Amino acid sequence: ELKVEQNPLFLSMQEGKNYTIYCNYSTTSDRLYWYRQDPGKSLESLFVLLSNGAVKQEGRLMASLDTKARLSTLHITAAVHDLSATYFCAALKAAGNKLTFGGGTRVLVKP
Amino acid sequence: EAGVTQFPSHSVIEKGQTVTLRCDPISGHDNLYWYRRVMGKEIKFLLHFVKESKQDESGMPNNRFLAERTGGTYSTLKVQPAELEDSGVYFCASSQEFRLAGGRYNEQFFGPGTRLTVL
Repeated sequence: ELKVEQNPLFLSMQEGKNYTIYCNYSTTSDRLYWYRQDPGKSLESLFVLLSNGAVKQEGRLMASLDTKARLSTLHITAAVHDLSATYFCAALKAAGNKLTFGGGTRVLVKP
Repeated sequence: EAGVTQFPSHSVIEKGQTVTLRCDPISGHDNLYWYRRVMGKEIKFLLHFVKESKQDESGMPNNRFLAERTGGTYSTLKVQPAELEDSGVYFCASSQEFRLAGGRYNEQFFGPGTRLTVL
């Protein structure tokens, strides 16, 4: 059974500093997703990582995937208040359609 | 283009009552999924429709939950009778598979969720 662990569960950030969220998964996964959720809103897809060594960047966010270590990271560069949200990683099992989510990381960026 | 919509956004009911949640997927999406997040836990898969057929219902917790997708358009998720542990946020997602360069892609688009509180 595919399991996904995400840490930390809560991250209090100072503006301008760098932080990383970690996502470990237990078995072979077809692809790895990162989502952002603002309170009361939909889960917004940030990145889809398909292969070992994949790195994707959008603004201050960068996601990477190491399939050998079964680890994905979401790196935040020079945090700003707008990045306050809950971030989820999710893995898709090979040949399947159901996503298995991590527990989420609630990010609060303080001025 | 309209995204995935869910109704209601919030529902507060008493234990033993019945509640029906509705999801309207993105038009043309054959795949529809239900997930839920109970307090403090991870988002968990409930079931997956392909058009009107249940493809995978391995995540449905028990027979108090009934999901339907008549006509392959919108879907409903009924909880009858509701219990305290059913409280949480119920998400719906939809997707349409496409093939590109030999690969299959099936990105799921999520709705805002229905927050269910059972008292």
